[in-house]
Amino acid sequence: DIQMTQSPSFLSASVGDRVTINCKASQNINKYLDWYQQKLGEAPKLLIYNTNSLHTGIPSRFSGSGSGTDFTLTISSLQPEDVATYFCLQHNSGSWTFGGGTKLELK
Amino acid sequence: QVQLQQSGAELVKPGSSVKMSCKASGYTFTSYYIYWIKQRPGQGLEWIGRIGPGSGDTNYNEKFKGKATFTVDKSSSTAYMQLSSLTPEDTAVYYCARGRGIPDYWGQGVMVTVSS
Repeated sequence: DIQMTQSPSFLSASVGDRVTINCKASQNINKYLDWYQQKLGEAPKLLIYNTNSLHTGIPSRFSGSGSGTDFTLTISSLQPEDVATYFCLQHNSGSWTFGGGTKLELK
Repeated sequence: QVQLQQSGAELVKPGSSVKMSCKASGYTFTSYYIYWIKQRPGQGLEWIGRIGPGSGDTNYNEKFKGKATFTVDKSSSTAYMQLSSLTPEDTAVYYCARGRGIPDYWGQGVMVTVSS
C-alpha cells in the first residue's frame, strides 16, 4: 500500500495567518490527492480534489498544490471557523490511504 | 441536496456481527459509488472498500476481506455494510460516502462499540 505521511501533526496559528499542511506519498500518485476538513464530532468535508480543484462551496482561501509525491494544502488567511483536523487522501492506487491528520488550533 | 443518512450507534459483543445502513437522497443512487471508511477513536482513517450500486460490483481493502460485506437495496437507495467476527479492534466510527473516484459527500458516521 501507498503510505501517506502528513505534517505537521499539530499546528497552532493566529487569525489571518497563512497556514500550510503537507502530505508526502511513498510513491508517485500523480495528481490523485484530496484534502478534507473534519470538525469535532462531524463528518469529514471535501475541500480540494485532484491536488488543486476546489470543491463546490469551499471558500477560495483554501488551495492545493503539488504533484507526484509532495502535496500542500494552504489556507491563505486563517479564520476562526477553520479550527479542525485536516487530512489527505490518495486515490491513485486500488487501495486508498489517508494521511495521519493535522490538528489546527487558534493561537 | 445530497444526503447520506446512516443508522444509529451499536453496542455489540465480541464474536458477533453488525449490519449498518446508509440511506442516500438528493441524487441518483446508482450513478455513484458508495465508499466505506473506518475511523478508530483518536486515530486515522482507513478505506474499507466500495460498492457500485448499479452493478453491485465490490472492491475491498485486503485488510477487510472476510470482515466487511457490502450490499445495496436499489429500491430504497440504501447501502449496507455488515461486519463479522467482531473484536475490540473493530470499535470505531464507520462512515459511508458517495463519489465517482473521490468521496465528496459523507454520512454522519455510525459508532460501533465492541464490548462484553
